Formats: sequence, structure tokens, C-alpha cells
Amino acid sequence: DTGVSQDPRHKITKRGQNVTFRCDPISEHNRLYWYRQTLGQGPEFLTYFQNEAQLEKSRLLSDRFSAERPKGSFSTLEIQRTEQGDSAMYLCASSLLRNTIYFGEGSWLTVV
Amino acid sequence: GQQLNQSPQSMFIQEGEDVSMNCTSSSIFNTWLWYKQDPGEGPVLLIALYKAGELTSNGRLTAQFGITRKDSFLNISASIPSDVGIYFCAGVYYAGNQFYFGTGTSLTVIP
Repeated sequence: DTGVSQDPRHKITKRGQNVTFRCDPISEHNRLYWYRQTLGQGPEFLTYFQNEAQLEKSRLLSDRFSAERPKGSFSTLEIQRTEQGDSAMYLCASSLLRNTIYFGEGSWLTVV
Repeated sequence: GQQLNQSPQSMFIQEGEDVSMNCTSSSIFNTWLWYKQDPGEGPVLLIALYKAGELTSNGRLTAQFGITRKDSFLNISASIPSDVGIYFCAGVYYAGNQFYFGTGTSLTVIP
């Protein structure tokens, strides 16, 4: 399967701990997106990379959040000093063309 | 961020019935996408629409890009139990990088 891959699929962490999620996009895709989704809501945009450049960040991405895509391939999303409000599914998506994106299976975060 | 309005919020239908749902925006989009999401999984792309007025089918699914560019419709014919899930619409501006998602339509198919 050569779809978007995310790891880990599930993470339970204590409040105040740091967590990191990894995303491997579809191999030839140069665009990579992170979204957050809470129960009963649609995905909300967090940030976007074209190759290794982070071109857009949402206001949802507070100072505790940082995303990287060092070599223009895989990406990481780190959340520092987690809060209960960070509990959500974190979705990664990638695209080759500007106007179609493909999602991974998501990484569930539960902050206790 | 902007969220698109989807309706209905939920649907309970008998197997074999047809389903219609729609999505509206206050802004014009140049692309509309429709996704299906199963519990605990990421959204899976069903249909992509790139031109106003475009009508596209994928098996039993048919979607249309509204003429005003502010809405889109998804129809599912002869529903089956595996159609159960949450359907999301998404729109993107031509020059934008951000995809905006609807609030979802939850579909339950009763065998």
C-alpha cells in the first residue's frame, strides 16, 4: 500500500508531556498538510508544506505546536506541554496537484 | 477557519433507498471534494469536482459542482449497509492552500 502513513495510530499521554506524530506522504507528493479533527466536526486546517517549506499555518497552531518536513519527504508534528484540549485526531494529507488531497488513517491523541 | 454547511446532519434510511446530501458555502470555490469517513479512520476521497456545473459519477455515487460555485451535491443510489459512515464535503479556492471542510452528514443504512 502506498498511501499516506501515520504513526502512531493512537497515543495516550499525561497532561504536560510532549508528543510527536509522524507522517509519510504518498511518495511523489510534494504537498503535505496537517489537520485536526474532534468528535462531530470536520477536519480543521493546521499547517501546509510544499516540499520542505512550511507555507501556511493556522491560528489553531499555537506556540506549543511545531511541524517540520526536513527533507521534503516525511513530516513530524510535535505538541509540547499537552493540554486536555489537545485531545483529537491528527490527520495528515498529501497531494501532487493543488486541488486534491489524500488523507492518512490519522493519529488519535488522548490527553489525560 | 471557515466551515461549510452540510445538510442533513444525519440520515437514517432503508437499504436500497437513494440518498441526497448537499454542502453550501458563503464563498466561491474552484474545487469541491467529497470524502467518506469510517469511525477511527481518516477520510477517504470519493469524488473530486473541478468545474462549475460538472457532474461526476463513481459507481453508485454521483456528485455535482453547483453553478454558483457555492454549493455541491452528493447522491448515493441503491444504498447498501457498507455506505454507513460520515460524509464530508471540502472546498478549496483556486489560489489557496487551505481546504475547508463541512460539518459532515452521518448516514445510517438499516438492512
